[in-house]
Amino acid sequence: DTGVSQDPRHKITKRGQNVTFRCDPISEHNRLYWYRQTLGQGPEFLTYFQNEAQLEKSRLLSDRFSAERPKGSFSTLEIQRTEQGDSAMYLCASSLGAGGSGNTIYFGEGSWLTVV
Amino acid sequence: GDSVTQMEGPVTLSEEAFLTINCTYTATGYPSLFWYVQYPGEGLQLLLKATKADDKGSNKGFEATYRKETTSFHLEKGSVQVSDSAVYFCALVGQAGTALIFGKGTTLSVSS
Repeated sequence: DTGVSQDPRHKITKRGQNVTFRCDPISEHNRLYWYRQTLGQGPEFLTYFQNEAQLEKSRLLSDRFSAERPKGSFSTLEIQRTEQGDSAMYLCASSLGAGGSGNTIYFGEGSWLTVV
Repeated sequence: GDSVTQMEGPVTLSEEAFLTINCTYTATGYPSLFWYVQYPGEGLQLLLKATKADDKGSNKGFEATYRKETTSFHLEKGSVQVSDSAVYFCALVGQAGTALIFGKGTTLSVSS
C-alpha cells in the first residue's frame, strides 16, 4: 500500500512565475486535502475535494491559488504569479471518507517551494 | 471558528523523563481530536486519536484523554526516549467533518 505521493519534493522558482504541485492520494481514498505549512507553524488548511468535487475553497489564500482533481484521483495545486511570501511547504493528504469518526487522514511528505 | 491551542516549545527533557504537552480546543459540538508527529525530515504521521468525550487514545507509550469539560487533549508519556524527539501537533476535525485544524506544534528535544 503506497502512501500519499507528492511531486516535486522541492521547487525553486523566480517571483512572478507559475508553479504546479501534484498529489497522488492513497488508492481509493475519496477525500483529498491541501495544506500549507510555514516554518514554526502548524499546517494551514487550504481546500479539499470529495472525489472530483471541490467542497471547500474559501480558505485558499488568494485568487492566485487554485486546485483541481479532474477525475477524482490525483490533484494539482497551482500558484500563479508567485510571491516571496508563498515560500512554504505544501502538504497533501487523503482519507477514505470524512476525517474524524475513525477515518484517518494520511499526509504526504510535502512539496517545498522557495520563491526567489 | 474551530481552533486548537497548544503549549509553546521547545520542550527539552532528559531521557526517561515524564512528558506533558498541553492542548486545548475551541469547537462547537463534539469534534474528533488527534495528535500528529513530525520526525525530522519526514511527513506528518498520526500518533493517536479520540473521537468522543472521555476516550483515551494511546500509541507507542503516548496517551491523551478527550476531556469535554475542560476542552483539552493533553499528550503524556511516562518515559521519553531520544527517538521521541520531533514536532508534535494537536489537531481536531469539527463535527461537520471537513478537515483537520492544527495547533502550531510543539518541538520536543530529548537528550541522553
